[in-house]
Amino acid sequence: IAGITQAPTSQILAAGRRMTLRCTQDMRHNAMYWYRQDLGLGLRLIHYSNTAGTTGKGEVPDGYSVSRANTDDFPLTLASAVPSQTSVYFCASSDAEAGELFFGEGSRLTVL
Amino acid sequence: GQNIDQPTEMTATEGAIVQINCTYQTSGFNGLFWYQQHAGEAPTFLSYNVLDGLEEKGRFSSFLSRSKGYSYLLLKELQMKDSASYLCACQDSNYQLIWGAGTKLIIKP
Repeated sequence: IAGITQAPTSQILAAGRRMTLRCTQDMRHNAMYWYRQDLGLGLRLIHYSNTAGTTGKGEVPDGYSVSRANTDDFPLTLASAVPSQTSVYFCASSDAEAGELFFGEGSRLTVL
Repeated sequence: GQNIDQPTEMTATEGAIVQINCTYQTSGFNGLFWYQQHAGEAPTFLSYNVLDGLEEKGRFSSFLSRSKGYSYLLLKELQMKDSASYLCACQDSNYQLIWGAGTKLIIKP
């Protein structure tokens, strides 16, 4: 089934630990995005990539890094997790800069 | 600054009609999206408006007024499965999406 796969689905992490959230899409979309969703707030863009080999910072990039080595994969890394990074993380892709977003099922991360 | 406003929560009755409003202030405007998000799930695309007017798609319609910075999502013949959050998102001049906090719609029998 075509779409976006995120892993892990859920994770509890000790503060200070390094964590990578994985995201893979098989729709050959050029653009990919990482959002976090917190109660009472809209989705906030962390990082994005308009095409393989390029990345950009979104609204809340601090404490996160991404890479885009190929079209399909867009991992998000927390170098040293802090409790304020407790959130639900969504990866998304689109086939054009202005196009509809397709979302993964989300990764629920709890940092203690 | 950039801002998207939509009601936090609305309640409606099965079979009825509900209108969810969204007002926006953004740095430039290229279009407006509506997404549906069931609890614990990913958002899914409902509609995209670029020009003023009403776009109808089955039981769901979306309206846009660019001059007023205003949109609404109209849901007809409500079903229990329509209980979800509805997210409004605007594209600014750089095609970046600015998201509202979402409207939680509760459908009662």
